[in-house]
Amino acid sequence: EAGVAQSPRYKIIEKRQSVAFWCNPISGHATLYWYQQILGQGPKLLIQFQNNGVVDDSQLPKDRFSAERLKGVDSTLKIQPAKLEDSAVYLCASSRGGSQDTQYFGPGTRLTVL
Amino acid sequence: AQKITQTQPGMFVQEKEAVTLDCTYDTSDQSYGLFWYKQPSSGEMIFLIYQGSYDEQNATEGRYSLNFQKARKSANLVISASQLGDSAMYFCAMREINTGGFKTIFGAGTRLFVKA
Repeated sequence: EAGVAQSPRYKIIEKRQSVAFWCNPISGHATLYWYQQILGQGPKLLIQFQNNGVVDDSQLPKDRFSAERLKGVDSTLKIQPAKLEDSAVYLCASSRGGSQDTQYFGPGTRLTVL
Repeated sequence: AQKITQTQPGMFVQEKEAVTLDCTYDTSDQSYGLFWYKQPSSGEMIFLIYQGSYDEQNATEGRYSLNFQKARKSANLVISASQLGDSAMYFCAMREINTGGFKTIFGAGTRLFVKA
């Protein structure tokens, strides 16, 4: 079974530029998550999708971040315009659902904003 | 409110010895799940073990076991027979089923160093 795929793996941009990340979840997983992990911290949930609907986006800075999950499969996370404090690893995870609902993570995208 | 606390920023263990990584949590929900993940230097989060709040027995997965003390709200990870490849960051996480909207929160992590 293929794991969660993410691209790109690394991205360097200047502040005020825009950037987009892509995620392809494990086949059959209805729930998809985007996390932000700042160096030295645990992951913080940005947005959670159930199929193509948003379950939780309470910690997504909506003035600059947006995410979509078209057709309930792939997802993109966009930042526009980027700030220095957006430098982090952006992790995508997916889960099948159910009471245990273990999340499986992709390799992440390391974003550096200069 | 949900809260996960990992009080050990770093831990050292000799190869082949056992080590315990601490995790305490706070929740008002009666139904929740506790997870441990490993994050090597490559960056990918690897699922290790799960404990449900209603599980009466401690979870075990190979060399990993979870010491679940519900009254004390602790969910410590025990790694037996440490190996050099166990050197990584370890994160404890909690997911509230009823009140948390299925949101998972992570602790700050513990970095484990295994010495040869």
